[in-house]
Amino acid sequence: GAVVSQHPSRVICKSGTSVKIECRSLDFQATTMFWYRQFPKQSLMLMATSNEGSKATYEQGVEKDKFLINHASLTLSTLTVTSAHPEDSSFYICSARGGGPGGYTFGSGTRLTVV
Amino acid sequence: AQSVTQPDIHITVSEGASLELRCNYSYGATPYLFWYVQSPGQGLQLLLKYFSGDTLVQGIKGFEAEFKRSQSSFNLRKPSVHWSDAAEYFCAVGVTGGGNKLTFGTGTQLKVEL
Repeated sequence: GAVVSQHPSRVICKSGTSVKIECRSLDFQATTMFWYRQFPKQSLMLMATSNEGSKATYEQGVEKDKFLINHASLTLSTLTVTSAHPEDSSFYICSARGGGPGGYTFGSGTRLTVV
Repeated sequence: AQSVTQPDIHITVSEGASLELRCNYSYGATPYLFWYVQSPGQGLQLLLKYFSGDTLVQGIKGFEAEFKRSQSSFNLRKPSVHWSDAAEYFCAVGVTGGGNKLTFGTGTQLKVEL
């Protein structure tokens, strides 16, 4: 079945540094990928939608200069958290449109901890 | 804009008992409806989906859901819960256009007592 690989699964970084999270569709082409943020015991909040070869569309309230999204190929989208701060600590999940039977395939998530 | 409500934040059932998780949506037309399950620290796994057709949908792991347009609901059911079903369950609604975004409910945490 369709698989979306998300790396790293966990990352700890120092405040002020940048962190890149990768999301790859392994056996299908994903023209659209979604990035979500999930706080502990809360739902998934859509941060942005990325389309291959074009600029990402950010949801209201999401700082696009802080959360840089690149979708350079049909199988790879990246989220870079720039100048990370402790309040950016969260669980980030990507999703690719297509591939699976439900039309959306999710990565396994990245736990970001900023210290 | 579409929205999803999951009224129950926590539900506890005994193993072997039946289960129903509630989901109500708000959208002007017929939406695409999904149920996902999430184990701690993991991504989401699709349990089942409704796009059109038969309003009773069968999914994996013995789950089913029924789309009721008149009640704007898409409740998830399982006749006999297993301890391994303990997890977080999310209902989601998707619409055509608008970037095909999914909107998630707040989730229901299921605890299974042995």
